[in-house]
Amino acid sequence: EAQVTQNPRYLITVTGKKLTVTCSQNMNHEYMSWYRQDPGLGLRQIYYSMNVEVTDKGDVPEGYKVSRKEKRNFPLILESPSPNQTSLYFCASSPRGSSYEQYFGPGTRLTVT
Amino acid sequence: AQSVTQLDSHVSVSEGTPVLLRCNYSSSYSPSLFWYVQHPNKGLQLLLKYTSAATLVKGINGFEAEFKKSETSFHLTKPSAHMSDAAEYFCVVSDHIPTFGRGTSLIVHP
Repeated sequence: EAQVTQNPRYLITVTGKKLTVTCSQNMNHEYMSWYRQDPGLGLRQIYYSMNVEVTDKGDVPEGYKVSRKEKRNFPLILESPSPNQTSLYFCASSPRGSSYEQYFGPGTRLTVT
Repeated sequence: AQSVTQLDSHVSVSEGTPVLLRCNYSSSYSPSLFWYVQHPNKGLQLLLKYTSAATLVKGINGFEAEFKKSETSFHLTKPSAHMSDAAEYFCVVSDHIPTFGRGTSLIVHP
């Protein structure tokens, strides 16, 4: 089954404790991206990747890192999480760029206390 | 620069009546436009997309949207609402980095 998977689905952590949210797709898509969803703000793009070893900032990259060492994986790293990063996070992939349909993962709900 | 405005944060309809969710956009280029739906506790799913072909776009579950360049609008419609249509709907404009609208919550009353 074609899908985007994220882990963990739920995470509660404390300020400053490094964490990684994994994202994997099995559709051989070149383009992957991370979004955060906050009430009343819709989805905002954090980082995106056009292909392996190619990443770029989206609208709200501060406090986040990503890497794209393999085509299928695109982990999101929070080196020192803060409470304002409490949010619902989505990973997405598409065949090429953002002009194509994006396939979304199920979401990761992160709470930073 | 691009932007997208969903004109209603909530829309409430009765089952069997038409649905209209409004979206206006601005873009310096000829953008791609999308509507996505998000059911409670789920990820987003594509309803339909416009990529400079036909201006009337048909999507899944009976939804359609009309691209009107002169009005910079891409409103989503459905002739007859079903209870299962209750969800959050997002309009998206993309000429490079996708920009999401803030969402419209569709409420369907029996």
